[in-house]
Amino acid sequence: EAGVAQSPRYKIIEKRQSVAFWCNPISGHATLYWYQQILGQGPKLLIQFQNNGVVDDSQLPKDRFSAERLKGVDSTLKIQPAKLEDSAVYLCASRIAGGRSTQYFGPGTRLTVL
Amino acid sequence: AQKVTQAQTEISVVEKEDVTLDCVYETRDTTYYLFWYKQPPSGELVFLIRRNSFDEQNEISGRYSWNFQKSTSSFNFTITASQVVDSAVYFCALPDPDGLTFGKGTHLIIQP
Repeated sequence: EAGVAQSPRYKIIEKRQSVAFWCNPISGHATLYWYQQILGQGPKLLIQFQNNGVVDDSQLPKDRFSAERLKGVDSTLKIQPAKLEDSAVYLCASRIAGGRSTQYFGPGTRLTVL
Repeated sequence: AQKVTQAQTEISVVEKEDVTLDCVYETRDTTYYLFWYKQPPSGELVFLIRRNSFDEQNEISGRYSWNFQKSTSSFNFTITASQVVDSAVYFCALPDPDGLTFGKGTHLIIQP
């Protein structure tokens, strides 16, 4: 079974530029998450989707971050404009719906903002 | 609010030694799950174990074992006969309520 796919793996941009990350969850996983992991810290939840609807985006900095999951499968996370403090690894995770099933993570996208 | 504390920032041991990683948690829930993930240098978070608060029996999987003690809100992880490939950052996590709240992680270094 294929795991969670993410691209790109690495991205370097200048501050104030925009950037987008893509995630393809495990087939059949209705729930999808985006996490931000700053160096030396644990991942922090940004947004959770159930199919194509947002369940929780309370920790998403909505002035610059946006995310969508239009057809309930793939998802994109966008930052516009980027700030230096957005330098981090962005992790996508998915799980089957219902209960407290295990979240499976993708390889992440390492973003460097210069 | 949910909270996970991993007090050990970094542990360094010589190969074949046993090592225990500590995890202490706070939760308002009466039933809950706890997780351990491994993050090798490649960066991907690898699922290791999920534990239900109903089940306080220790879990063993090969060289890995987990000790869950509800009375002390701890869920510790032991690696027996450590190997260089065990070098990674290990995270303990708790659902909050659906996304995971992670500890800061313990960086484990196994020296040959």
